[in-house]
Amino acid sequence: GAGVSQSPSNKVTEKGKDVELRCDPISGHTALYWYRQSLGQGLEFLIYFQGNSAPDKSGLPSDRFSAERTGGSVSTLTIQRTQQEDSAVYLCASSFQGRSYEQYFGPGTRLTVT
Amino acid sequence: QKEVEQNSGPLSVPEGAIASLNCTYSDRGSQSFFWYRQYSGKSPELIMSIYSNGDKEDGRFTAQLNKASQYVSLLIRDSQPSDSATYLCASYTNTGNQFYFGTGTSLTVIP
Repeated sequence: GAGVSQSPSNKVTEKGKDVELRCDPISGHTALYWYRQSLGQGLEFLIYFQGNSAPDKSGLPSDRFSAERTGGSVSTLTIQRTQQEDSAVYLCASSFQGRSYEQYFGPGTRLTVT
Repeated sequence: QKEVEQNSGPLSVPEGAIASLNCTYSDRGSQSFFWYRQYSGKSPELIMSIYSNGDKEDGRFTAQLNKASQYVSLLIRDSQPSDSATYLCASYTNTGNQFYFGTGTSLTVIP
């Protein structure tokens, strides 16, 4: 079946602009995670959605970052007033909680802030 | 202390050899463990999951879990150049539904 999809695949933006990154999880997956990966670095957890529960926002690095998940499916990560240090690959993953907890990753969005 | 720790490597093995990748975790409540492979410029790909003590084999891959020692390993038999990648170890605990990823071990298989 279809995997996790993300759009856009690449985004170049000027410092100070807002950006929206989209994630479509695997159909039926109840949990959705956002991570950030800078060049040569590990995964940095950002935010986690599980069903209709309040999201775990503990990983968001600043109040410029926010995310929502509509209808328990598609998620949008918004970065306001982008800074150069926001440049990274933003990865989305989904899993079916209660079965195996295995996370499946999308291809990522490479964000470059100039 | 990080929740999941891996030796960053790089680890180099000759083609055909066994590659051994190791990982330790700190949360004794962790229930599930995963190995991901990440090629340069690509996203992580799940290759193995393990939930019970002992070994789990899938083709050339064997995952080993020792909960008493809080230790997870991945063995790759008959290593191929195409196995050259960074391998990420991850743990899951349902306390807070937390996933933790290690920083990854870089593996190079030399032809």
